Amino acid sequence: GENVEQHPSTLSVQEGDSAVIKCTYSDSASNYFPWYKQELGKGPQLIIDIRSNVGEKKDQRIAVTLNKTAKHFSLHITETQPEDSAVYFCAASGADYQLIWGAGTKLIIKP
Amino acid sequence: GAGVSQSPSNKVTEKGKDVELRCDPISGHTALYWYRQSLGQGLEFLIYFQGNSAPDKSGLPSDRFSAERTGGSVSTLTIQRTQQEDSAVYLCASSLQGLLGEETQYFGPGTRLLVL
Repeated sequence: GENVEQHPSTLSVQEGDSAVIKCTYSDSASNYFPWYKQELGKGPQLIIDIRSNVGEKKDQRIAVTLNKTAKHFSLHITETQPEDSAVYFCAASGADYQLIWGAGTKLIIKP
Repeated sequence: GAGVSQSPSNKVTEKGKDVELRCDPISGHTALYWYRQSLGQGLEFLIYFQGNSAPDKSGLPSDRFSAERTGGSVSTLTIQRTQQEDSAVYLCASSLQGLLGEETQYFGPGTRLLVL
């Protein structure tokens, strides 16, 4: 079935450094790839998304890249700050209305 | 504006009891999703409502789980005869139309269920 794999499961970076989280998907028909951030005790919140007609999208310190040929996409966070500490989920559009979710990456920003 | 709200925020129950979890989606959103998130895990899809269409119940883990959505707005998720493995955070999300899975899903804060 459709699957999204996300790596790493935990990522610890020094404040100010960059963080990269990678996802691969299996369904070649997927054309929408959102990233959600979940802070402790809260529901996930969309932070950035990309559609298959573009290869990269940037919003201030966060960016997402997409390689449709290889079926993988990545989240890049530059100049990390303590408030970036959270769990990040990638997802890919599946059949009909469904999103296929990655397992999540716990990002820890060390002061 | 008001986001997705869920109640209760926390629920502790005894094994074998029934529980009802409530979700109030964003006004005007026709699509509503329920997910389950076990400790430190990802999102497990449970059920999907879209407008007046029949819900997609394909993610419900057993017949102890059911959900309804009244008047196209508020939804309740019911778990009968709760088991300890039902302990998790239950998340509700809504989106404007829910078509093609390409819309932003707006999540509530979740209900933390603990079955003793």
